[in-house]
Amino acid sequence: DAGVTQSPTHLIKTRGQQVTLRCSPKSGHDTVSWYQQALGQGPQFIFQYYEEEERQRGNFPDRFSGHQFPNYSSELNVNALLLGDSALYLCASSFGQGGTEAFFGQGTRLTVV
Amino acid sequence: AQSVTQLDSQVPVFEEAPVELRCNYSSSVSVYLFWYVQYPNQGLQLLLKYLSGSTLVESINGFEAEFNKSQTSFHLRKPSVHISDTAEYFCAVSDITQAGTALIFGKGTTLSVSS
Repeated sequence: DAGVTQSPTHLIKTRGQQVTLRCSPKSGHDTVSWYQQALGQGPQFIFQYYEEEERQRGNFPDRFSGHQFPNYSSELNVNALLLGDSALYLCASSFGQGGTEAFFGQGTRLTVV
Repeated sequence: AQSVTQLDSQVPVFEEAPVELRCNYSSSVSVYLFWYVQYPNQGLQLLLKYLSGSTLVESINGFEAEFNKSQTSFHLRKPSVHISDTAEYFCAVSDITQAGTALIFGKGTTLSVSS
């Protein structure tokens, strides 16, 4: 079991650019959540996808969008990048919308310059 | 909105000493509670969770946490720590009255174990 896999592991982008991060959930899981972890902080919930729809959203602007595919994998898109978007982006998967155990990937380290 | 407060940002201890990492959450509504551990340059690993039932929950590597509803706390303890326990520890809460399972995390506690 490969667990939750994220790609790429590291990424450097310029202000104003757009970025796409990818996540494959753990085998058997159908729900994907995305979190942003700034340096020295706890992860902050961005949104959750279940049955290819955004089900719950945290306090993030519309520049942050996502998608879930029929195979349950997911993408996180961030437009018009700001320096403050530099962070570790974590994907978590679980089973069912009310799943109580989330498994996290290793994360994608995004640096905006 | 839910919030989580981890009362200590850094906890330095010596090997084989006991340790307690403190966590308080904001609301008395029904919640699930979690402790996650993060090693350098890695994602988060679930350490233990409280969903219902016994208020004392244990992990396989000797950590335990006690849910205290009246104090809205979920402190993590270990009677004897090892060097390998050095990591960042995050307390998290999930509001079970809401759809979905968004986790609200504290800012983390850095546990540093030295010999």
